[in-house]
Amino acid sequence: AQSVTQLDSQVPVFEEAPVELRCNYSSSVSVYLFWYVQYPNQGLQLLLKYLSGSTLVESINGFEAEFNKSQTSFHLRKPSVHISDTAEYFCAVTFIKAAGNKLTFGGGTRVLVKP
Amino acid sequence: DVKVTQSSRYLVKRTGEKVFLECVQDMDHENMFWYRQDPGLGLRLIYFSYDVKMKEKGDIPEGYSVSREKKERFSLILESASTNQTSMYLCASSLLSIPTDGYTFGSGTRLTVV
Repeated sequence: AQSVTQLDSQVPVFEEAPVELRCNYSSSVSVYLFWYVQYPNQGLQLLLKYLSGSTLVESINGFEAEFNKSQTSFHLRKPSVHISDTAEYFCAVTFIKAAGNKLTFGGGTRVLVKP
Repeated sequence: DVKVTQSSRYLVKRTGEKVFLECVQDMDHENMFWYRQDPGLGLRLIYFSYDVKMKEKGDIPEGYSVSREKKERFSLILESASTNQTSMYLCASSLLSIPTDGYTFGSGTRLTVV
């Protein structure tokens, strides 16, 4: 069965420090991979995605994620966080031609950036 | 940009009430979805629709129903609200059945059942 696991429910981090949010999935089919961000009291916004090609993808605000097929992972990183990065982050996976091609979400990782 | 609008930001309802959550999207998307979001559980799919008057159960449909009479509107119905349905409800839409652009989400409706 297909599933998505975010290994950390909460990650406290100091401002200007690096952060890594881990995402693993289980699948026997091809996948599309996404990271969403949810700021307090808002809906989810797409942060970045991997469909094919280069395994390293970047967002406009300094986040990057790397697709590792052998480890079935799509970890999200930022080398230096800001207070404004305080949010909840969700990993999501489309299992192509399985599970109705719908997005399956991980449990979320809450990032709290401390000054 | 696609907009997905959920009619209420906060709702408080009593146990046993019939509750309607409304969602409208303005970009002619075929596919619409209802999720509930609970701490530590992420987003769980309740129902989805790939076309007008078409609906399919998601992972947790019990206690819910949906209606899609027009392409732009997808309503979630709690037939008899219970306290365990207190949650954040998120509506989403996508153009493609295989969502290469992911989903576009509304801002959510925080429902409290007392």
